[in-house]
Amino acid sequence: DIQMTQSPSSLSASVGDRVTITCRASQSISRYFNWYQQKPGKAPNLLIYAASSLQSGVPSRFSGSGSGTDFTLTISNLQPEDFATYYCQQTYNTLLWTFGQGTKVEIK
Amino acid sequence: QVQMVESGGGVVQPGRSLRLSCAASGFTFSSYAMHWVRQAPGKGLEWVAVISYDGSEKYYVDSAKGRFTISRDNSKNTLYVQMNSLRGEDTAVYYCARANYDRSGWGYFDFWGQGTVVTVSS
Repeated sequence: DIQMTQSPSSLSASVGDRVTITCRASQSISRYFNWYQQKPGKAPNLLIYAASSLQSGVPSRFSGSGSGTDFTLTISNLQPEDFATYYCQQTYNTLLWTFGQGTKVEIK
Repeated sequence: QVQMVESGGGVVQPGRSLRLSCAASGFTFSSYAMHWVRQAPGKGLEWVAVISYDGSEKYYVDSAKGRFTISRDNSKNTLYVQMNSLRGEDTAVYYCARANYDRSGWGYFDFWGQGTVVTVSS
């Protein structure tokens, strides 16, 4: 099974900051990789798919990069509504799509 | 508009069974693979099971193998998961999620249900 490891598990940041979250896959997964945002009590919401493609309706301050085993989510100019938990996901395994453990972005 | 509504959650004793449903609308249900994802209290997302668009392929997380059975009724636009021999560690919010693909074949979950809560406790 492909393991996804996110870092950090949590971080504190201020409005206006630039935030970077990383995710590493246990094997190469090309760009079969997504990022989701989840707010308390809500279902996750797709932000980035195929490692770097912005989902429709998602603000352009969110961006993704990477390929193979190492991936990054960057939030530029952090906004109050961005405080949430972020999850990475691999979709390399046909139908067996697994998640990283999550990164909680908190207000400093 | 796409909508998925889970139901069937509740409080159940260890060792008992529960069947969750996910009623879908607003899209051609029979064209999409569907997944169950769960989230234990205060924990992260855990992929649980998937069923192909026609029900011919099913896969499970190791902890669910032999205890959970995913199924679908495309005539009723409904996804199910039968959960037997429930354990305390199965306590979670269970979400159904639709698998979609862009033109290049990159997959993702584009729609989720609101979740249904399962509590396994004596």
